Amino acid sequence: NAGVTQTPKFRVLKTGQSMTLLCAQDMNHEYMYWYRQDPGMGLRLIHYSVGEGTTAKGEVPDGYNVSRLKKQNFLLGLESAAPSQTSVYFCASSYPPESSYEQYFGPGTRLTVT
Amino acid sequence: AQSVAQPEDQVNVAEGNPLTVKCTYSVSGNPYLFWYVQYPNRGLQFLLKYITGDNLVKGSYGFEAEFNKSQTSFHLKKPSALVSDSALYFCAVRDIHGDYKLSFGAGTTVTVRA
Repeated sequence: NAGVTQTPKFRVLKTGQSMTLLCAQDMNHEYMYWYRQDPGMGLRLIHYSVGEGTTAKGEVPDGYNVSRLKKQNFLLGLESAAPSQTSVYFCASSYPPESSYEQYFGPGTRLTVT
Repeated sequence: AQSVAQPEDQVNVAEGNPLTVKCTYSVSGNPYLFWYVQYPNRGLQFLLKYITGDNLVKGSYGFEAEFNKSQTSFHLKKPSALVSDSALYFCAVRDIHGDYKLSFGAGTTVTVRA
């Protein structure tokens, strides 16, 4: 099992450009999440999905969109990148959290917006 | 609302000495509590969790954590630290009757010197 994978690993964007981050998991997890990690702030939830075709807003959703067309994939889009979106982005997946299952994380994408 | 506090940004210990990373939490109801570790340029790895039952939880790599309901704490411990334990550690909490979201602390950087 590859677990949770993310592409790309690194990206540099200019302000106003768009991009899509791809997350894939091979554990048949229903739930998937996108977080951003900033120094001294821990991880903050951007969006999450409780199943194929469903998405919901997290703690910091502004400036991002997501889609879950297939159960194994969760895409995070930036339509018009801003320097404030410079961060490390992590995808995670889990079984239904009401069963107390932990989340499994991908290796991260380091995004710089200039 | 739920939240986690990790009062120490950094913890420095000598190899072979005990290691403690502190975490306190706040939830409306009862908590699910988690510890994750992040090595440089890697994603988060699950260490251990408290769901219910025994207040002392044992996890990966010789780590353990003690749940203290009266002090709302879930401190991570290791009796004898290794240089390879140097990493960033995150505590996370979820209210068992809340929504699906985990709230993470800001993280504690552990440095174990040889």
